[in-house]
Amino acid sequence: KAGVTQTPRYLIKTRGQQVTLSCSPISGHRSVSWYQQTPGQGLQFLFEYFSETQRNKGNFPGRFSGRQFSNSRSEMNVSTLELGDSALYLCASSPGTADTGELFFGEGSRLTVL
Amino acid sequence: DAKTTQPTSMDCAEGRAANLPCNHSTISGNEYVYWYRQIHSQGPQYIIHGLKNNETNEMASLIITEDRKSSTLILPHATLRDTAVYYCIVRVPISSGSARQLTFGSGTQLTVLP
Repeated sequence: KAGVTQTPRYLIKTRGQQVTLSCSPISGHRSVSWYQQTPGQGLQFLFEYFSETQRNKGNFPGRFSGRQFSNSRSEMNVSTLELGDSALYLCASSPGTADTGELFFGEGSRLTVL
Repeated sequence: DAKTTQPTSMDCAEGRAANLPCNHSTISGNEYVYWYRQIHSQGPQYIIHGLKNNETNEMASLIITEDRKSSTLILPHATLRDTAVYYCIVRVPISSGSARQLTFGSGTQLTVLP
């Protein structure tokens, strides 16, 4: 069974630009959550989507947004990029219903903002 | 979610057992202990989880003390590929409608030495 796929793996943007990252969850999984990882802050939860609805949101500004499509694929968008947005963005999928809470992570998208 | 305390770093000789401790003295009765690891520049990988009984799978064993205030992850025969940051997380298991947020601490950097 294919794992979680994130694209692109690496990208470089400049301040003020926007970026869209994509995540394809494991087949059959309906929950997709997003995390930001930086050396200083560690892994931080951004938001989770389940059946096209945002189910929970972390403490990030409104520049960070996401959505989920009917096939469970998800995208996250960061607008008006800042230098501090440079990070590894990780997507995780899970069945989304009653389960033990195991998350399956993708390899991440490494964003560098210049 | 209960807080966890882990040593910052540990070394282990290749082929020997790696024992990674985690303190979770404020754990509540319905919280599970989860372990994930993250190899450099990859997404976190689920290892194992448990409530109060010891658990074993193909990757590792999880030993939870009787009072559930601490646990130990055991990699029985560590290899160089086990070098990673290991995260101990305590949380209530997911039920339908709950958020899928995991709170990662700083983890333990395990270095397996040849």
